[in-house]
Amino acid sequence: NAGVTQTPKFRILKIGQSMTLQCTQDMNHNYMYWYRQDPGMGLKLIYYSVGAGITDKGEVPNGYNVSRSTTEDFPLRLELAAPSQTSVYFCASSYHPRRRTHSRDNEQFFGPGTRLTVL
Amino acid sequence: GQNIDQPTEMTATEGAIVQINCTYQTSGFNGLFWYQQHAGEAPTFLSYNVLDGLEEKGRFSSFLSRSKGYSYLLLKELQMKDSASYLCVTEDSNYQLIWGAGTKLIIKP
Repeated sequence: NAGVTQTPKFRILKIGQSMTLQCTQDMNHNYMYWYRQDPGMGLKLIYYSVGAGITDKGEVPNGYNVSRSTTEDFPLRLELAAPSQTSVYFCASSYHPRRRTHSRDNEQFFGPGTRLTVL
Repeated sequence: GQNIDQPTEMTATEGAIVQINCTYQTSGFNGLFWYQQHAGEAPTFLSYNVLDGLEEKGRFSSFLSRSKGYSYLLLKELQMKDSASYLCVTEDSNYQLIWGAGTKLIIKP
């Protein structure tokens, strides 16, 4: 299993450009998440999805959009990039919380991250 | 409101023991996680506590007191590879995670 994969690893955007961050998981997880992490800060939830066709806003959704057409894929779209979106972006996936039967089932599995700079 | 407090940075010596504390306030508590994050990498799961008490897993142990809104992560026999940030994370009743800013642990020889 590849786990959670993200592309690209690094990207530099100009103000006003748009891009899509790709995320794929092969663990058949229902739940998927997008986070951003600014230097010295904890992770902030941007959007999440509880299954194909269902998405919901997290703590900091402004300036982003997502879609979940399949269980495996959860792309994050940035429209009109702004310097405030300079950050490291992590995609994650997990089991449905009610499926937890062992402590380890609570784990969120993370992709390697995308380091985005907007100039 | 929801809030997590943990020290910004701690220093310890290789081979020693260190305890990283975390206090939290959350609306509807469903559990507490500890994650490890090495510089430039993604977080990795260490532990999950939902009941009061100590969970031991090798060199790492995690403690929870729900009534006090308090947890700690205990690392024994410190190794240089333990140099990382340790993130305290709470889960609310809607299964939403609230991430602390993390404690950067520096291990000295």
